[in-house]
Amino acid sequence: NAGVTQTPKFQVLKTGQSMTLQCAQDMNHEYMSWYRQDPGMGLRLIHYSVGAGITDQGEVPNGYNVSRSTTEDFPLRLLSAAPSQTSVYFCASSLGQPGPETQYFGPGTRLLVL
Amino acid sequence: GEDVEQSLFLSVREGDSSVINCTYTDSSSTYLYWYKQEPGAGLQLLTYIFSNMDMKQDQRLTVLLNKKDKHLSLRIADTQTGDSAIYFCAEYSGGYQKVTFGTGTKLQVIP
Repeated sequence: NAGVTQTPKFQVLKTGQSMTLQCAQDMNHEYMSWYRQDPGMGLRLIHYSVGAGITDQGEVPNGYNVSRSTTEDFPLRLLSAAPSQTSVYFCASSLGQPGPETQYFGPGTRLLVL
Repeated sequence: GEDVEQSLFLSVREGDSSVINCTYTDSSSTYLYWYKQEPGAGLQLLTYIFSNMDMKQDQRLTVLLNKKDKHLSLRIADTQTGDSAIYFCAEYSGGYQKVTFGTGTKLQVIP
């Protein structure tokens, strides 16, 4: 098992550009989530999915879109990048609802928006 | 909303014990967690404790929970240089996707 994989590891964007952060898991987990990690702050939930075809907003969804066409993949799209979106992005998955079930995290994507 | 706070930095000498502290505000927390994040990596679950427990021990790790004061601590015995990482406290109080993470404590182990 590769676990949770994320690509790219690092990306530099200019303000206004769009891009997609990829996340995949091979554990057949139903639940997947995207978090951002900023200095001095805990992880904040952006969007999450409870299964293929079902997504919902988390704490900080503005400026991001997600889709879940398969169980394995959960891409995060930045429609028009802004410097405030400079952050480290983590994807996570769990067999069941996070909390009672352990979340497994990917290695992260470091994004710099100029 | 819920809040989870930690001190930002802790420095200890190799071989000493480390104690990382965390306070939370949600009295209905049911699970409390400690995650470890090594440089350039994602978070990895270290251990967790149910809210009806006061203490949990797992090899070099001891978790203490004081529900009255809403205080959680992680003690690492015989701290090694490989323990250098950022440690996140998190709590779950039920409901959907309601895991709240603390700000993280960077542990530096001095050889």
